[in-house]
Amino acid sequence: GEEVAQTPKHLVRGEGQKAKLYCAPIKGHSYVFWYQQVLKNEFKFLISFQNENVFDETGMPKERFSAKCLPNSPCSLEIQATKLEDSAVYFCASSQSRGRGPSNQPQHFGDGTRLSIL
Amino acid sequence: SQQGEEDPQALSIQEGENATMNCSYKTSINNLQWYRQNSGRGLVHLILIRSNEREKHSGRLRVTLDTSKKSSSLLITASRAADTASYFCATDEGRGGGSNYKLTFGKGTLLTVNP
Repeated sequence: GEEVAQTPKHLVRGEGQKAKLYCAPIKGHSYVFWYQQVLKNEFKFLISFQNENVFDETGMPKERFSAKCLPNSPCSLEIQATKLEDSAVYFCASSQSRGRGPSNQPQHFGDGTRLSIL
Repeated sequence: SQQGEEDPQALSIQEGENATMNCSYKTSINNLQWYRQNSGRGLVHLILIRSNEREKHSGRLRVTLDTSKKSSSLLITASRAADTASYFCATDEGRGGGSNYKLTFGKGTLLTVNP
């Protein structure tokens, strides 16, 4: 599609439960990024993919967070054993690859999934 | 490291006035981008300026980049009530080579344009 589609829009989980978020990038975009926005301002990078391969996972909490981008499926971000501090809006973004030199490509964002941990 | 600090944190102006937001960063960059976020929505890309560019225009937007001072400014001319949103600068510190790298965002400027 022409927009990054994130589902669900809002997800409520009890502390300790699992949460799974989905993202369909724009068709033809080979990069997918996940960001976490806390308190309406700070964006924290989590992980990026180049097609189905992890490209950069330096922002991912190792213990409870995992993510995948499989062919012909939406990308997913899963949080095991959620904690109160995981409450945030999780944004997915995608971008095109230029294939050579600095990419200088904008990222296109979805509307996010608001995760509330009770 | 914290990158892309905007100032002011909040700005309130009247419709028709110009709005200027500033952003500072700490490391070398490929490019700097400005995004807008309306309440409850995702980020909308406004403009990208490359590290070898000094100024760029897009409609009512004007962006400058000073790599020697590691700073950028976003000017919105003839503001409208619909411009009310949060504005974020974001830096791409990537190493080039054809890959797309993460963005590092500042904390944003909340712009309110009063009718």
